[in-house]
Amino acid sequence: AQSVTQPDIHITVSEGASLELRCNYSYGATPYLFWYVQSPGQGLQLLLKYFSGDTLVQGIKGFEAEFKRSQSSFNLRKPSVHWSDAAEYFCAVGASNNAGNMLTFGGGTRLMVKP
Amino acid sequence: DTGVSQDPRHKITKRGQNVTFRCDPISEHNRLYWYRQTLGQGPEFLTYFQNEAQLEKSRLLSDRFSAERPKGSFSTLEIQRTEQGDSAMYLCASSSTPEKYFGPGTRLTVL
Repeated sequence: AQSVTQPDIHITVSEGASLELRCNYSYGATPYLFWYVQSPGQGLQLLLKYFSGDTLVQGIKGFEAEFKRSQSSFNLRKPSVHWSDAAEYFCAVGASNNAGNMLTFGGGTRLMVKP
Repeated sequence: DTGVSQDPRHKITKRGQNVTFRCDPISEHNRLYWYRQTLGQGPEFLTYFQNEAQLEKSRLLSDRFSAERPKGSFSTLEIQRTEQGDSAMYLCASSSTPEKYFGPGTRLTVL
């Protein structure tokens, strides 16, 4: 069974500072990995995805993530955070050997940005 | 096409009533998913369709939950005899590739 752990429930950073959100997954084969962002009361917006190939993937809004198979991690990074980045971030894993590719989500990390 | 839409956005009901939610996926997507998200948690998979076929429903939370996608386009999720524990955000997603696109969700409050 697949699972995702996001160790940090809350993170606060200052505007302009760099950001790293941690994600660890458990899955027997090469997974499909995703980061989504959710603003209060809204649905989920896809930030970026990893299926195969280059382990450093670029996403929207200046975000990137790096797949590290040896550490079973897919951490999300941004070099300079903007106040509008305050939201909840979810890491998710999908089964690459399942036609439905149902996603399993982590518990989320709430990002707060200080002015 | 503007993305996945869900209706209603909010639903308040009394315990014991039945509720039905609708999801309209992105038109060219053949897969449709339902998830539930409770406060402070990540979304939890409930069921999915490929075209009109419901290929996974073992994760539906109880036999009070059912979903349909009769013509392979929109889908409905019904909860019968609602309980206070059913209060949550119900999210729909669609896809034609491994990446899923989510709708805005329906927030259900059971009084």
